[in-house]
Amino acid sequence: EAQVTQNPRYLITVTGKKLTVTCSQNMNHEYMSWYRQDPGLGLRQIYYSMNVEVTDKGDVPEGYKVSRKEKRNFPLILESPSPNQTSLYFCATSRGNTEAFFGQGTRLTVV
Amino acid sequence: DQQVKQNSPSLSVQEGRISILNCDYTNSMFDYFLWYKKYPAEGPTFLISISSIKDKNEDGRFTVFLNKSAKHLSLHIVPSQPGDSAVYFCAARGSSGSRLTFGEGTQLTVNP
Repeated sequence: EAQVTQNPRYLITVTGKKLTVTCSQNMNHEYMSWYRQDPGLGLRQIYYSMNVEVTDKGDVPEGYKVSRKEKRNFPLILESPSPNQTSLYFCATSRGNTEAFFGQGTRLTVV
Repeated sequence: DQQVKQNSPSLSVQEGRISILNCDYTNSMFDYFLWYKKYPAEGPTFLISISSIKDKNEDGRFTVFLNKSAKHLSLHIVPSQPGDSAVYFCAARGSSGSRLTFGEGTQLTVNP
């Protein structure tokens, strides 16, 4: 079964404590990306990756890092989380110009 | 700079009637458009798409219309069902890659 798996699904953390949200896909897709969803703002792209070792900034990259050491994994790293990063995060994958498949989401709260 | 806009945050319709969700875009380089549906506590799922070389694409109860001159697309759901109640996102992509730009979303509620 084609899957995009995010972990954790829910996370409450404190300001400044480094965290990583993992994303793994089993579809052998080249393109992976991270989005955040906020009320009234829709889905905004944070970072994307065209393939292994190729990453680039999206629309709202400040405060985030990513890495793409293997094709299937694309972790999102918050080195020093702040309350304005409280949001719902989605990982997505696609092959070429096909539609994107999304993970289930990670609800992050930074206090 | 919001390149894809969904001006209606919410829409309420009766079961069996037509739902029309609208989306406007500003970037003339967009040539592929998609609609996603999102239920609470789930990720968005792909619903239907349309290429800029077409003006209509139909899949069962769902039809997407594209008006390139007006930079406007719409999603029609006929007949609407209570299970269609969800947030609908419009998205657009240019020919240069896979990057999607999303609208703000419209919450559709279909009342029994």
